[in-house]
Amino acid sequence: DARVTQTPRHKVTEMGQEVTMRCQPILGHNTVFWYRQTMMQGLELLAYFRNRAPLDDSGMPKDRFSAEMPDATLATLKIQPSEPRDSAVYFCASGLVGGGREQETQYFGPGTRLLVL
Amino acid sequence: GNSVTQMEGPVTLSEEAFLTINCTYTATGYPSLFWYVQYPGEGLQLLLKATKADDKGSNKGFEATYRKETTSFHLEKGSVQVSDSAVYFCALSLTGGGADGLTFGKGTHLIIQP
Repeated sequence: DARVTQTPRHKVTEMGQEVTMRCQPILGHNTVFWYRQTMMQGLELLAYFRNRAPLDDSGMPKDRFSAEMPDATLATLKIQPSEPRDSAVYFCASGLVGGGREQETQYFGPGTRLLVL
Repeated sequence: GNSVTQMEGPVTLSEEAFLTINCTYTATGYPSLFWYVQYPGEGLQLLLKATKADDKGSNKGFEATYRKETTSFHLEKGSVQVSDSAVYFCALSLTGGGADGLTFGKGTHLIIQP
């Protein structure tokens, strides 16, 4: 049963600290997405990668957020320094491009629930 | 730009009632449409999708038909169960859903009472 995994599942930190969230996409998927979910804004796309290259990070605050894919099995989202307004649930999703619209789907991980005090 | 509008919740129904959750969209291209479901404390699970006009997506008794003329993708189920209680998200993609980011509605919280 292939799944997207995310670590940590929960993170409590203090303002100003660095936060790193990790995602392992489904093996063989070539596209990885990062989303943020808050009560006020709902689900927002932050960034996404294709074959490890960043395609779009326009949804991400550039001054404090960074996203990378060191290899095909790991994506990271880093916040430095963190602020209370970054408190949210961060979801990673992966998908496979190719095979036409019917075959393409995004699969979501369980999320990292971040609280910045 | 692209946007999705769905009815605000919470929606509270009795078990075995008929369910409709409305969803309308605006898109710059020809979108694929999705319903995702989120159970408490979990990630989003794909419930159903449709990739072209007049297609009907269906899964676990839920159905939705892609209506291009009304730009809608309403979710329906004939007889809901307590286990259907969750938050339901309507979403669109300008591809099949694996190649670009999804645009989501705000979500509808569904509560089914026994």
